[in-house]
Amino acid sequence: AQSVTQLGSHVSVSEGALVLLRCNYSSSVPPYLFWYVQYPNQGLQLLLKYTSAATLVKGINGFEAEFKKSETSFHLTKPSAHMSDAAEYFCAVTAPGGGNKLTFGTGTQLKVEL
Amino acid sequence: EAGVAQSPRYKIIEKRQSVAFWCNPISGHATLYWYQQILGQGPKLLIQFQNNGVVDDSQLPKDRFSAERLKGVDSTLKIQPAKLEDSAVYLCASSSGLFNEQFFGPGTRLTVL
Repeated sequence: AQSVTQLGSHVSVSEGALVLLRCNYSSSVPPYLFWYVQYPNQGLQLLLKYTSAATLVKGINGFEAEFKKSETSFHLTKPSAHMSDAAEYFCAVTAPGGGNKLTFGTGTQLKVEL
Repeated sequence: EAGVAQSPRYKIIEKRQSVAFWCNPISGHATLYWYQQILGQGPKLLIQFQNNGVVDDSQLPKDRFSAERLKGVDSTLKIQPAKLEDSAVYLCASSSGLFNEQFFGPGTRLTVL
């Protein structure tokens, strides 16, 4: 079985500051990991995914995440926050060959302040 | 390319009533998913279809929830009778295959009074 834990249900940063959203996973097999973003009243949009290739994954909108097996982590970062980054972010995990069944974390609401 | 369409966007009903949601996936996508997203939680998979067959419905409360995808294209999710705890956003997603990226619709926000 797979699960993810997102530390911090709310994160607030200043515009231009580093964004760091934390995700730790638990999986009995090498996982595939994802970050999704959800804007108000919209569906989820894929930011990036790790599928056992390069451990540093670059996504859309300047986001990236690094898979660290030793720490069972897949934290999401962006060097400089923009007001338009304010949204809810979800980390998700699935097992390769698991039929694409995603297990989501509880989400982190990112607030960007001037 | 048109995205995943869902209707209605909002629905308010009283407990014990029935409700149905509709989803039209991206054209050509064989795999369709229904998720339930309760406020403050991440989406939880309810059911997954491959064409018109069910791949996984292990988390679907079958005593009150049902879903179908008769022609392997659009899908409906029904709740009968609804309970207060069914208040949530119901998200539909589709992918071109079992191992490919899922694209999500805007969701239907259900409020049960």
